[in-house]
Amino acid sequence: SQELEQSPQSLIVQEGKNLTINCTSSKTLYGLYWYKQKYGEGLIFLMMLQKGGEEKSHEKITAKLDEKKQQSSLHITASQPSHAGIYLCGADINAGGTSYGKLTFGQGTILTVHP
Amino acid sequence: DAEITQSPRHKITETGRQVTLACHQTWNHNNMFWYRQDLGHGLRLIHYSYGVHDTNKGEVSDGYSVSRSNTEDLPLTLESAASSQTSVYFCASSAWGTNDEQYFGPGTRLTVT
Repeated sequence: SQELEQSPQSLIVQEGKNLTINCTSSKTLYGLYWYKQKYGEGLIFLMMLQKGGEEKSHEKITAKLDEKKQQSSLHITASQPSHAGIYLCGADINAGGTSYGKLTFGQGTILTVHP
Repeated sequence: DAEITQSPRHKITETGRQVTLACHQTWNHNNMFWYRQDLGHGLRLIHYSYGVHDTNKGEVSDGYSVSRSNTEDLPLTLESAASSQTSVYFCASSAWGTNDEQYFGPGTRLTVT
């Protein structure tokens, strides 16, 4: 089983709808990264969260890390076709946050946005 | 602008051949990582390096090796390519510390026939 579980695995929405992607761990997350990937391309950094309860926003994308630092959510408001792609969460899950950059990734969520 | 590049972008090789994938970054980052991406598994860490002459095994290191002779490059070698190593390979780099963003290369799609 994955140490980081993403849900849903795939998501199809109509343009303009809101959506949420979740990333859950049984271990404490010492740094949670969200990346977006277009098919056939590399990963684009979206946001990084460290503190329990932290929330960051960039344009129409908001990411939160819960107080217990075991779950993060990525919320897209008023989705657009440009939001389509694969969303990956990555985290340092070693005790004490000692991974020094070694990230464990979820399996990814494939987002399709229909115009 | 600083960047991270990978070559080749696509490679087809035969089972048993040795293959080397190149990764070059101009960020002057200490940390460099190799991941493979497979459907249903997300990205899995193969090898990583925290500086020149430092290399470490990741989660799926069997059949792979790396060497770090300078700051900019971390080539990944498949000693004897196997069909199970057909995958997309990503190189990443980051500055020292746990709080820093990892910058990813564009990926290399490797097919082993």
